[in-house]
Amino acid sequence: QVQLQESGPGLVKPSQTLSLTCNVSGGSLSSGGYYWTWIRQHPGKGLEWIGDIYYSGSTYYSPSLKSRVTISVDTSKNQFSLKLRYVTAADTAVYFCARRSTVTAYGWFDPWGQGTLVTVSS
Amino acid sequence: EFVLTQSPGTLSLSPGERATLSCRASQSVSSTYLAWYQHKPGQAPRLLLYGASSRATGIPDRFSGSGSGTDFTLTISRLEPEDFAVYYCQQYGSSPLTFGQGTKVEIK
Repeated sequence: QVQLQESGPGLVKPSQTLSLTCNVSGGSLSSGGYYWTWIRQHPGKGLEWIGDIYYSGSTYYSPSLKSRVTISVDTSKNQFSLKLRYVTAADTAVYFCARRSTVTAYGWFDPWGQGTLVTVSS
Repeated sequence: EFVLTQSPGTLSLSPGERATLSCRASQSVSSTYLAWYQHKPGQAPRLLLYGASSRATGIPDRFSGSGSGTDFTLTISRLEPEDFAVYYCQQYGSSPLTFGQGTKVEIK
């Protein structure tokens, strides 16, 4: 079955760009039918949807982060990536990648990666 | 933006007891477009239910969901030791997709 695994630096300096990659295994990202998503969880808080991408490159972003976020896809590597610019301490969180169903216009998330903690600190 | 409010924040129960978790939406959720997830520390969140009441693949039937409009419920009929975790609801009726803040089910 499809599995997802996040990777990237665990520490980012303020004002710099957070960059994470999600590797998809057990299935092809470009087979269609799903969006590929980034979600984060601030320490001790709930979950926040960041945005997602279709294999064709079509994207949806959260309005609250849209000005700083870029999600891209590399079908040759079966990966998708997140870039979050101008980070502050408020961007410290566990970042998850997930697959979003498109049975409806939007959908549920299944499966998820285990998440990776990114700390923003100088 | 939809706000989902889950209650209670923490539920202290013993194995074998029934757990009832609530998720209330700030607006009516289209067509019961609501999902529930289980999350244990250090693990990937797991989809339990979608469409408010449809169990995901491999989810035991002790997990059930109900509700429509603005009020939804996740019920765990008899708690097993592996069920102690944090549970989140999520609406997918409109963008931005939003989650509740979670209910922690802990061992009493």
